[in-house]
Amino acid sequence: NAGVTQTPKFQVLKTGQSMTLQCAQDMNHNSMYWYRQDPGMGLRLIYYSASEGTTDKGEVPNGYNVSRLNKREFSLRLESAAPSQTSVYFCASMGPDLAKNIQYFGAGTRLSVL
Amino acid sequence: QKEVEQNSGPLSVPEGAIASLNCTYSDRGSQSFFWYRQYSGKSPELIMFIYSNGDKEDGRFTAQLNKASQYVSLLIRDSQPSDSATYLCAVRKPGYSTLTFGKGTMLLVSP
Repeated sequence: NAGVTQTPKFQVLKTGQSMTLQCAQDMNHNSMYWYRQDPGMGLRLIYYSASEGTTDKGEVPNGYNVSRLNKREFSLRLESAAPSQTSVYFCASMGPDLAKNIQYFGAGTRLSVL
Repeated sequence: QKEVEQNSGPLSVPEGAIASLNCTYSDRGSQSFFWYRQYSGKSPELIMFIYSNGDKEDGRFTAQLNKASQYVSLLIRDSQPSDSATYLCAVRKPGYSTLTFGKGTMLLVSP
């Protein structure tokens, strides 16, 4: 029972490089989310997907793109990484009971952009 | 006014004491309230959720909600050093499938 799996766990990029953060969940959840967490800033929503085939912007979408590949997988892409994107990235998923809205988090990806 | 506000702390309590963590929110229509615990270097994990006014107890944890005052709190009884972590308050607004998180309160429990 893996829950929410994120890859990679750590990554170092140079400014201008691109990369894709992968997220997969095995709980048959409809909704998936990408957050970033910076010191003193809490969790901020980047993008989310309420269901397969849909994506929406969150609070801080600039510089990112997402793909909901299928019900299980939701990827986050940095096309041209910037030092301001140095952060810890968390993926989360949520089941169909909107009233409960319980989100389960992956272990995170620690990204440094030099 | 920030949507979800928490005192950043640290809140320091001795082992065995009651730790009280507080959170206020700005949208009066908010419906669901969550407390997540996050150990240093780890991901957030849900410890409590509450939807109705009043208290909800689960073991050593009690969540308290007062919608009139737009206030939600988390009490941890018999605090243990293993409770030392950052506690994140999260709120869901009506019609949204997303959560808004506070910046978190760091709790330190000293032996």
